[in-house]
Amino acid sequence: SAVISQKPSRDICQRGTSLTIQCQVDSQVTMMFWYRQQPGQSLTLIATANQGSEATYESGFVIDKFPISRPNLTFSTLTVSNLSPEDSSIYLCSAEQEGLPEAFFGQGTRLTVV
Amino acid sequence: AQSVSQHNHHVILSEAASLELGCNYSYGGTVNLFWYVQYPGQHLQLLLKYFSGDPLVKGIKGFEAEFIKSKFSFNLRKPSVQWSDTAEYFCAPKKVTQAGTALIFGKGTTLSVSS
Repeated sequence: SAVISQKPSRDICQRGTSLTIQCQVDSQVTMMFWYRQQPGQSLTLIATANQGSEATYESGFVIDKFPISRPNLTFSTLTVSNLSPEDSSIYLCSAEQEGLPEAFFGQGTRLTVV
Repeated sequence: AQSVSQHNHHVILSEAASLELGCNYSYGGTVNLFWYVQYPGQHLQLLLKYFSGDPLVKGIKGFEAEFIKSKFSFNLRKPSVQWSDTAEYFCAPKKVTQAGTALIFGKGTTLSVSS
């Protein structure tokens, strides 16, 4: 199974600023995903990060707010822009390996916006 | 819209009690179904999965789940829980997205097991 590392594990940010979260996988993966888990809620898919092309966003999420990069088969970043307190959540990176149906998850980034 | 519903928000059991957590999904067609577990302070881990074949699937740590197509259900069971099963459990079918497929998650069930 792939091991996924996320950085930072937590951060406190001022409103109006941005936070970039890094996701590093220890092996090449086909698909990478970013999820948000708001307090008391389940995980919601933000976007699928495609290597070599723009990310594909789910309804309710836009590139201007959540720009994503995927420069290679083991790395992706999610930026949460123009932060507001409503962005306070846990953000999780996930990945799938070729030939395996299940996804693997990082430990998450806990973001608090003040 | 494709959705998933977990019936129990918080379950409290004593050790050795039996466990069943309900999960229903809203769509038909080909389904790939998963249960994930998140132990305190740890990341999400795969508990078990159903892809095809025998509708009764077995996972790690004595957990099993049964896929009942007619009921759109994928309930998780364990005959005898242990204190170490205290965790949050998520039912997660795969849905079709613009980019392919991805997991969608139920609201999760917090299981507390007392010794």
